[in-house]
Amino acid sequence: DFQMTQSPSTLSASVGDRVTITCRASQSISSWLSWYQQKPGKAPNLLIYKASSLESGVPSRFSGSGSGTEFTLTINSLQPDDFGTYYCQHTWTFGQGTKVEIK
Amino acid sequence: EVQVLESGGGLVQPGGSLRLSCAVSGFTFSRSWMHWVRQAPGKGLVWVSRINSDGSSTSYADSVKGRFTISRDNAKNTLYLQMNSLSAEDTGVFYCARDRSGSLTFDYWGQGTLVTVSS
Repeated sequence: DFQMTQSPSTLSASVGDRVTITCRASQSISSWLSWYQQKPGKAPNLLIYKASSLESGVPSRFSGSGSGTEFTLTINSLQPDDFGTYYCQHTWTFGQGTKVEIK
Repeated sequence: EVQVLESGGGLVQPGGSLRLSCAVSGFTFSRSWMHWVRQAPGKGLVWVSRINSDGSSTSYADSVKGRFTISRDNAKNTLYLQMNSLSAEDTGVFYCARDRSGSLTFDYWGQGTLVTVSS
């Protein structure tokens, strides 16, 4: 079965840090990958689509890269509002999520 | 302004049924593929079902196939999910989401509706 594996599962970082989340696909998916942020009690919010395209209205400190089977979401200069859980997604499959905590 | 509003969740006994609705405005619903995504308490996102723009094509996760039915009324800008033979494993928040251009990128989401299956 096709799988998306995110790492780490949880990370704690300070305001201003650069944060990187990795998503690996069990088979090549070209650049068909999206990233979402979800805050507690809220719906997910689209951040990145087609691996590296920034969704309108999303701060430029968020960026995505990768193709094939390995992808990265980077948050440059982490802000207090960036806490939450981040999910990668390809077609019907979501990664298990990465919880980002602010130190 | 885009609005996506789910309703119909609640407490239901195992084996029971429930019908979820998702009313949308602010985008052309009749041209949009739509999805349902479930999130069990404290867990991740799980895709449930999708329907194409005119309702002629549907897909389901294996876990709900034969029990859930997705449908839509383009005249009412509303998406539905009929859920039958519910079990505790179906408990969670159900989100309605728009698929951007059939690309399986979910750009608009509702706030979700909670379904609790318990006796």
